[in-house]
Amino acid sequence: AQSVSQHNHHVILSEAASLELGCNYSYGGTVNLFWYVQYPGQHLQLLLKYFSGDPLVKGIKGFEAEFIKSKFSFNLRKPSVQWSDTAEYFCAVRGNNNAGNMLTFGGGTRLMVKP
Amino acid sequence: DVKVTQSSRYLVKRTGEKVFLECVQDMDHENMFWYRQDPGLGLRLIYFSYDVKMKEKGDIPEGYSVSREKKERFSLILESASTNQTSMYLCASSLGASGRWGETQYFGPGTRLLVL
Repeated sequence: AQSVSQHNHHVILSEAASLELGCNYSYGGTVNLFWYVQYPGQHLQLLLKYFSGDPLVKGIKGFEAEFIKSKFSFNLRKPSVQWSDTAEYFCAVRGNNNAGNMLTFGGGTRLMVKP
Repeated sequence: DVKVTQSSRYLVKRTGEKVFLECVQDMDHENMFWYRQDPGLGLRLIYFSYDVKMKEKGDIPEGYSVSREKKERFSLILESASTNQTSMYLCASSLGASGRWGETQYFGPGTRLLVL
């Protein structure tokens, strides 16, 4: 079975600070990896995803994530956060044993950016 | 744009009641999913469906059932609601076609259910 661990449940940053949110997964095979974001009062939406090729993935709003296979990690980064990045962030994984496109989500990280 | 809608944003029900949560997607997606979202636990998959009348159990199916009579509609049913089913319920859909690699799931706005 797959599992996803997000180490930080709550993160508070000031505007312009750099962000890194950790995500580790447990699965030994080929994976799809996703970061979803949920802004206050809004739908969960895709931030970025990795499915093959370049392990450094760029997403919307200046976010990027790096897939490090040897560390089973897919950390999310942004060099300079804005107040509008205040949201909850979820990492998710799909393993290649999963023909049904089921995702396993981490517990989420709540980010608060102080103006 | 993909649109996934859920019938209610907020619901209050009593213990023992039968509860129906409805989800509709407008993009002819094959796959549909029901999750519950709880603080600190993230999203956990309850059931999913990859075709009309087809369903598969997710990680936490106990106490729930589902129905998919039409491709665009996926219902979650709580046969006898209990207080531990108080949660946020999210519906999602994805294109499908035998589990395309790298596929994105699109989420609805969620239904916040309170069981008293």
